[in-house]
Amino acid sequence: DSGVTQTPKHLITATGQRVTLRCSPRSGDLSVYWYQQSLDQGLQFLIQYYNGEERAKGNILERFSAQQFPDLHSELNLSSLELGDSALYFCASSVDLYNEQFFGPGTRLTVL
Amino acid sequence: AQSVTQPDIHITVSEGASLELRCNYSYGATPYLFWYVQSPGQGLQLLLKYFSGDTLVQGIKGFEAEFKRSQSSFNLRKPSVHWSDAAEYFCAVVFREYNAGNMLTFGGGTRLMVKP
Repeated sequence: DSGVTQTPKHLITATGQRVTLRCSPRSGDLSVYWYQQSLDQGLQFLIQYYNGEERAKGNILERFSAQQFPDLHSELNLSSLELGDSALYFCASSVDLYNEQFFGPGTRLTVL
Repeated sequence: AQSVTQPDIHITVSEGASLELRCNYSYGATPYLFWYVQSPGQGLQLLLKYFSGDTLVQGIKGFEAEFKRSQSSFNLRKPSVHWSDAAEYFCAVVFREYNAGNMLTFGGGTRLMVKP
């Protein structure tokens, strides 16, 4: 158990819908990262927050957005869902910007 | 452009045999280097990391990795594989110079199967 929690574990929804994935970092960690794992793209970085501020952006679609709240938990919002958004979404956290990242168990999103 | 390559998509070894998983990166400086393991249906667990210093690093579960600057490689090794090591292994890199944060760039992964 890494100490990073993600909810829900599984999510099944329809095309065009909107979902919210939630992540709680390890106690004391200030930085949160979101990654997407799919069969065709592999593991890809989406976005990073540090102490409530967006720090870095990767290959994140405009339909996707995220935020980090004052209690440091983070949410990833996915809207206008398409079949191709079906993937495993991981959250990771690190104590600062220079140390290793610890991953949560992931949220498996299925878009039908 | 920076990239991470794991040349072997699948590897099968017998239980008790030694293991080496390859990882190469393309980058002009020394990155931060990591190996993660993912068991079926699970998240990613950090096995070991290299930031600087001694180029041979020890990790959890009996794994070690060696950073070779001249070869831009960070290969993962284990002297004797156990059936429970069957999983997918990912090499990951932080390319520090171009990185406002410290996001990971992952290789494509190597799926390890262990024969009894």
